[in-house]
Formats: sequence, C-alpha cells, structure tokens
Amino acid sequence: AQKITQTQPGMFVQEKEAVTLDCTYDTSDPSYGLFWYKQPSSGEMIFLIYQGSYDQQNATEGRYSLNFQKARKSANLVISASQLGDSAMYFCAMGAGGYNKLIFGAGTRLAVHP
Amino acid sequence: KAGVTQTPRYLIKTRGQQVTLSCSPISGHRSVSWYQQTPGQGLQFLFEYFSETQRNKGNFPGRFSGRQFSNSRSEMNVSTLELGDSALYLCASCCGSATGELFFGEGSRLTVL
Repeated sequence: AQKITQTQPGMFVQEKEAVTLDCTYDTSDPSYGLFWYKQPSSGEMIFLIYQGSYDQQNATEGRYSLNFQKARKSANLVISASQLGDSAMYFCAMGAGGYNKLIFGAGTRLAVHP
Repeated sequence: KAGVTQTPRYLIKTRGQQVTLSCSPISGHRSVSWYQQTPGQGLQFLFEYFSETQRNKGNFPGRFSGRQFSNSRSEMNVSTLELGDSALYLCASCCGSATGELFFGEGSRLTVL
C-alpha cells in the first residue's frame, strides 16, 4: 500500500531563516512522483515542487528545494530565506500508477515569525 | 491563462439533500480529479476523469459520483447528504502527462446541517 508520512504537525521558523519539512513515503511502484503543495487559509492548494523517482538531481524551484533520498524513502522540503507569506499548511503527496491520483500526507503547519 | 474554477465556493445543505459541484479545468487540460478534505481524514482522492471517462476511483460510497463533459468541465454529485460529508472539495486539472503537476482550484466548502 502507498503511504505518505509527515511527522511534524507544526513547525515555526524565524523570518529569513531556512526550514526543513519532513516527508517519508512508502510504495512498491518503481515509478512514482513526489509533490509538495502549500495550502494557505484560503484553501487553495498551490503547487510548489515535483520530484520524479528516476530524477538524478534534487528538484529546485526558487526558494524551494526537495531533498530526495531514495534509499531512505524520504522527500523533505527545504524552504530557504523564509518569508511571512510562507505561513501555511504544507502537504507532501505521492502519485504512482497514474500520476493524477495523489496520496497526501497529514500536513505540516508552518508559522513564520518576524 | 485562467486557472481551475470551482463553483460554488461555499454552500450549506441539510441532511438527505443532494449537491452538485462544478469544476472548470485549465484550458487544454483533459484530466480532472476530485479530492475531499476534512479535519479528521485529511485529503482523500475521490475520482479522476479523463476524456469523459472515469479513470480512477477512490474508496468512497456510491453516493459520490461524477462526470465529465466533452469540454472537460466536470461535476461531482453527492446524494443523500450526511453530516460527515461536510468538507472542502478540491478539484485538480492536469495535462495528463506523467510529470505534470496538478493545478488545484480554490475548492467548494460544503457544510451539511
């Protein structure tokens, strides 16, 4: 069975500092994709970053990078230079056997303090 | 480029009623998937439609159904509403490629009284 685990219900970080949000996954599919989404209080899910299981390099998108450790089945999100607007829920998700069906983790609520 | 549009954004229903939610995907996208988000169960996949055919289905009772039209717009319907159906219903559209990101709408927040 496929599963995503986010063990940090809440995190806080000082503005301008970096923060790492943890995500581990479990799947028997050799081909899968890992996603991170941000959900502000408005409810919209905002795509942040994607990592394919066969990608050799860690994905980066601006201030977001994904620390992909395949052997450990982890896909942690690193946000550099945190901003107040980064305060939101963050979800890790996995797609396998059909990428448009995502399995989500429970989420991590990030609070950025000035 | 317009994003994913979901209507209505908010609605209140009573137990036993039915509800229809609409999702207009990004122009050119042929895949639409639906998710239910509740505080207790988190985000759960409902179903996915691609070119008017249901391609994937989650573990929800038959009261939850959907369809997709030839213009890729999708509707989901929940019949005989229960209190536990109160949730944020999110729609996502995708290109259909294996590396495509799913673009989500802002959701329809359903409250069942």
